[in-house]
Amino acid sequence: DGGITQSPKYLFRKEGQNVTLSCEQNLNHDAMYWYRQDPGQGLRLIYYSQIVNDFQKGDIAEGYSVSREKKESFPLTVTSAQKNPTAFYLCASSMRGRTEAFFGQGTRLTVV
Amino acid sequence: QQQVKQSPQSLIVQKGGISIINCAYENTAFDYFPWYQQFPGKGPALLIAIRPDVSEKKEGRFTISFNKSAKQSSLHIMDSQPGDSATYFCAASNPPSGNEKLTFGTGTRLTIIP
Repeated sequence: DGGITQSPKYLFRKEGQNVTLSCEQNLNHDAMYWYRQDPGQGLRLIYYSQIVNDFQKGDIAEGYSVSREKKESFPLTVTSAQKNPTAFYLCASSMRGRTEAFFGQGTRLTVV
Repeated sequence: QQQVKQSPQSLIVQKGGISIINCAYENTAFDYFPWYQQFPGKGPALLIAIRPDVSEKKEGRFTISFNKSAKQSSLHIMDSQPGDSATYFCAASNPPSGNEKLTFGTGTRLTIIP
């Protein structure tokens, strides 16, 4: 089945630790995106990538890092510099030049 | 600056009624306007999308209307059902440029009561 797979579904992090959220897609999409969702704030763009080995900062990139070494994969690292990392993280992908985005099921990150 | 303004934040509608959610767009360059539906604990799913050269698009009980001059769109859900209870997001993006991205509204939590 084609789709976007995010893992893990739930993640707990101690303060001061870096954690990496996985996002894999087999839709052959060029573009991939990471969004953060907080109650009452909608979806805010963290990073996006239109092509392998290239990515751009979104609106709230501070405290996050990404890589795009393969077309299928776009992992997100939440670093210790992110002061309020507890949130629901969503990965999405789309064909380049088209913004019909398909979303994964999300990863809920909690700082303990 | 919030480029996509969505209202209301929450909405309660009786079963069989009409649910109406509104969006206003600050960026005149936007040319693609999708609406997404999200159930708790799930990722958003594309519901329906419209381009500015179309004033209305209907899919089943869901209709988007778009007013280009006012830079506004609305989602109407006719004969609302309890299964429609979800959070709805409007979004917008610029024309394809190799660097396009979706900007989302803050969402509307819709509850359909029996």
